[in-house]
Amino acid sequence: DTAVSQTPKYLVTQMGNDKSIKCEQNLGHDTMYWYKQDSKKFLKIMFSYNNKELIINETVPNRFSPKSPDKAHLNLHINSLELGDSAVYFCASSHHARLNTGELFFGEGSRLTVL
Amino acid sequence: AQTVTQSQPEMSVQEAETVTLSCTYDTSESNYYLFWYKQPPSRQMILVIRQEAYKQQNATENRFSVNFQKAAKSFSLKISDSQLGDTAMYFCAFMNTGNQFYFGTGTSLTVIP
Repeated sequence: DTAVSQTPKYLVTQMGNDKSIKCEQNLGHDTMYWYKQDSKKFLKIMFSYNNKELIINETVPNRFSPKSPDKAHLNLHINSLELGDSAVYFCASSHHARLNTGELFFGEGSRLTVL
Repeated sequence: AQTVTQSQPEMSVQEAETVTLSCTYDTSESNYYLFWYKQPPSRQMILVIRQEAYKQQNATENRFSVNFQKAAKSFSLKISDSQLGDTAMYFCAFMNTGNQFYFGTGTSLTVIP
């Protein structure tokens, strides 16, 4: 069974469109994240949700909106896509610090290409 | 603010040889976790090894070991008996007690047959 799964794996779309990437974890973790990995392989934290509450919101454009219907899911919605949004987006999860063994579990990544 | 620095963008090693990837970090906290993650061409991020800052003993996982120097804020990864499957991007990462992770810029390792 996949621990952290995200869909779609690949997404090609036109500038100006709105798209969503879904993420689900079956590990019982209470913290989930979205990371962006650009063409130079830099990994940058975008959002973190702990028990459905946003606890980190790095300086990403407000075109990006995370949505967490429950603690097993953290979806990423992107409005008005721009060329610079092309990247690989990784979902990850972990236990909260108090219970944390100190490991992030990553999904396989979703490669977004904006034309 | 915490920062993680990997000063080697690319490295190569002959198969069966040993290679060391360097990582330094900056923090004012006394307790934290350090990690090395591997990202092969398949794109999946895989945990290689983990070190808790309050443990003095260096972590070891089979062919992978670390040299953790807390005072120097250094956390290098040694890969022994390198294998072709070790070819990947390697990311050093830091986690503070607030559960915030910080990643280095990565080192691309190529194992040469």
